[in-house]
Amino acid sequence: DAKTTQPTSMDCAEGRAANLPCNHSTISGNEYVYWYRQIHSQGPQYIIHGLKNNETNEMASLIITEDRKSSTLILPHATLRDTAVYYCIPQETSYDKVIFGPGTSLSVIP
Amino acid sequence: DAGVIQSPRHEVTEMGQEVTLRCKPISGHNSLFWYRQTMMRGLELLIYFNNNVPIDDSGMPEDRFSAKMPNASFSTLKIQPSEPRDSAVYFCASSDRGQFGGYTFGSGTRLTVV
Repeated sequence: DAKTTQPTSMDCAEGRAANLPCNHSTISGNEYVYWYRQIHSQGPQYIIHGLKNNETNEMASLIITEDRKSSTLILPHATLRDTAVYYCIPQETSYDKVIFGPGTSLSVIP
Repeated sequence: DAGVIQSPRHEVTEMGQEVTLRCKPISGHNSLFWYRQTMMRGLELLIYFNNNVPIDDSGMPEDRFSAKMPNASFSTLKIQPSEPRDSAVYFCASSDRGQFGGYTFGSGTRLTVV
């Protein structure tokens, strides 16, 4: 399984863009990059995923480098409700077993 | 869709008692996962099922833990006998093998063994 490296914690001012980096230098060619988040006392929530191309949905944007060794999750206008732990996870399919690392604890500050 | 439904939300039991946690996956999802979360160890995958068949139970900590999925709409995680170190939040998640939208998690069961 590919391993990931994420910052332990980050702060972001409310209303500003939050950029969360992830290194996954050992990702295999058929592994997607999935992002989940976990708000305190809730179950993890799927955010977005991508293989090679950049992706955008109503929650976030995902930028994947050309060599696929790293990616950045972008929350364009962070709100207090975005305070959570964010997990970056290489995963082959939606039903592949998902191993969660420690993630990045994002604090959005008023 | 009501999402993944777990019950009970909270469970307090005495050491040595049997505990059964329940999960109803999203209708049509054919993969189901049980996770445990503690402050010390984070989110740990215990076991997962594809089409009601257990695929990987290597994360089940001991023989005291067992999981079943008798049909596509129901799964249980049983601990017998329970111990204080089993105290944790237990999450169930489901996914659709035909889609790539990631897992959907339930709200979890907070288990306290005293």
